[in-house]
Amino acid sequence: EDQVTQSPEALRLQEGESSSLNCSYTVSGLRGLFWYRQDPGKGPEFLFTLYSAGEEKEKERLKATLTKKESFLHITAPKPEDSATYLCAVQAGNTDKLIFGTGTRLQVFP
Amino acid sequence: KAGVTQTPRYLIKTRGQQVTLSCSPISGHRSVSWYQQTPGQGLQFLFEYFSETQRNKGNFPGRFSGRQFSNSRSEMNVSTLELGDSALYLCASSLGFGATEAFFGQGTRLTVV
Repeated sequence: EDQVTQSPEALRLQEGESSSLNCSYTVSGLRGLFWYRQDPGKGPEFLFTLYSAGEEKEKERLKATLTKKESFLHITAPKPEDSATYLCAVQAGNTDKLIFGTGTRLQVFP
Repeated sequence: KAGVTQTPRYLIKTRGQQVTLSCSPISGHRSVSWYQQTPGQGLQFLFEYFSETQRNKGNFPGRFSGRQFSNSRSEMNVSTLELGDSALYLCASSLGFGATEAFFGQGTRLTVV
């Protein structure tokens, strides 16, 4: 069965303290791995899509990487406005269905 | 470019009633998917439509149904509402060809009392 696991469940960081979020997956025929950011009461906001092992993408303080079994979202020198839940999802087979992990709730304190 | 629009934003319904939620995808997007988000289960896939055809369905009872119109707008319906149907219902649109980015609306917050 296709599965996505994110860790840690929650992460508290001091402003400027870099860290990484993990997303491990087991899926047949990966077509893409997606990272989203979700603020309370809002829909997920698209961040990155990664398609193959070794691929990396960056956006401001965020950098996503992909291996054959997991993806990391690295946050460099985070700011309080980076506080949100970060969701990882995979797409496989011949469908656009996304399989989500349960997310990492990030809090960044000044 | 307008994003994904979901209406209404909030709904309060009574057990046993039915409800219809609407989703207008990004212009040019032909794939629409629906998800249920609850604190305990996270984001769970409901169904996916492409060019008015349901391509995939999640593990939800038959009370949950949907459809897509020729202009790609989609609706989902939940009949005989139960307390456990209280959730944030999210719609995502994408081009529908391969592993393309899916963009979400703000969701409809459904509360069943």
